[in-house]
Amino acid sequence: EAGVTQFPSHSVIEKGQTVTLRCDPISGHDNLYWYRRVMGKEIKFLLHFVKESKQDESGMPNNRFLAERTGGTYSTLKVQPAELEDSGVYFCASSASDRGNFFYNEQFFGPGTRLTVL
Amino acid sequence: GESVGLHLPTLSVQEGDNSIINCAYSNSASDYFIWYKQESGKGPQFIIDIRSNMDKRQGQRVTVLLNKTVKHLSLQIAATQPGDSAVYFCAEKERGGSYIPTFGRGTSLIVHP
Repeated sequence: EAGVTQFPSHSVIEKGQTVTLRCDPISGHDNLYWYRRVMGKEIKFLLHFVKESKQDESGMPNNRFLAERTGGTYSTLKVQPAELEDSGVYFCASSASDRGNFFYNEQFFGPGTRLTVL
Repeated sequence: GESVGLHLPTLSVQEGDNSIINCAYSNSASDYFIWYKQESGKGPQFIIDIRSNMDKRQGQRVTVLLNKTVKHLSLQIAATQPGDSAVYFCAEKERGGSYIPTFGRGTSLIVHP
């Protein structure tokens, strides 16, 4: 079974440009998450989709970031316009529907997209 | 806000030695902890977890210890192998909170043959 895939693996853009990252979750997973890791720091949560609905977007840094998940399958994360501080690795993760595990619903991570804003 | 952190950013060991990666947390409401391994070019991968009602849990070559008194978590890897070289993240989840873990900064483990 294919895991979570992300495209592109690397992106180098100039400040002010627009970039769109894509995530394809594991087939059948309703939950999709976006995270970001800035160099040398912790992995920070950005937002969580349940199917096509945004369940939690409390981690989105500002309105330059727009995430969509039309049809509840793949998701895109657009940064417009990009700033220098947006550089980092953007991870996507997916998990199956809530199975009643009170503690944790295991998330499977993609390889990430390394974004460099010059 | 409260955060999860790590004592050492980099740990170098010889192949065959045991490795210990430490993590301190400050959120007293945390009741569930996870260790992830991130190899180069890949995303974080779940290794082992532990609930707050436990102080030790063992997996295959890995052991997680939890000391709630001092809010400290450690990951022990026995007979470390070159394939264990990776960045290790601890993460915590708050009691009653969502499934979204809060990650620490990560420790880079380098295993020398």
